[in-house]
Amino acid sequence: DTGVSQDPRHKITKRGQNVTFRCDPISEHNRLYWYRQTLGQGPEFLTYFQNEAQLEKSRLLSDRFSAERPKGSFSTLEIQRTEQGDSAMYLCASSLAGGTGELFFGEGSRLTVL
Amino acid sequence: QQQVKQSPQSLIVQKGGISIINCAYENTAFDYFPWYQQFPGKGPALLIAIRPDVSEKKEGRFTISFNKSAKQFSLHIMDSQPGDSATYFCAASKTNRDDKIIFGKGTRLHILP
Repeated sequence: DTGVSQDPRHKITKRGQNVTFRCDPISEHNRLYWYRQTLGQGPEFLTYFQNEAQLEKSRLLSDRFSAERPKGSFSTLEIQRTEQGDSAMYLCASSLAGGTGELFFGEGSRLTVL
Repeated sequence: QQQVKQSPQSLIVQKGGISIINCAYENTAFDYFPWYQQFPGKGPALLIAIRPDVSEKKEGRFTISFNKSAKQFSLHIMDSQPGDSATYFCAASKTNRDDKIIFGKGTRLHILP
């Protein structure tokens, strides 16, 4: 069990470019979550999947954001036409439905939009 | 509307002292109340958690006190150590529905050596 892994750890991009982040959850976990964390704030929920189904999306997830989990394993979060306000840490977490309720977090992907 | 309110924003405690962080929630449907610890550049990690059917849970130097009627809970760190310096988040979720966690805004704790 290698834990939740995220890639890339850091991404610097220019405004207007598209970026994609990948998350590999703990292998037996069927739930996967994306959160966004800005400096000095707590993580804010963006969206979550159970297996390959996206079951909830926050109003924070604008039309420029899209998340997928095509085979119920890894997930991608794409941001199109990035804006400076998108600069944040994007955290992925996973859990097992019917488990303890604990979310296991990755170390995050830090996005800087210039 | 902030569902989980945390205080203080920052806290400085002498080594060996007691660190206390408070949290209040609004939704009585929450049934799981974890505290997460986060070090700079790392993701949050579960420290300790409680369910509303108990009023206190202790794990080593860390204790959660839970007051269901007041909709409040707190984290106590006994014999605080410099290695405890981190940001702490209280949180809540409805595990009978999903495991989506709602976080407080965090408390930055600094333990003086």
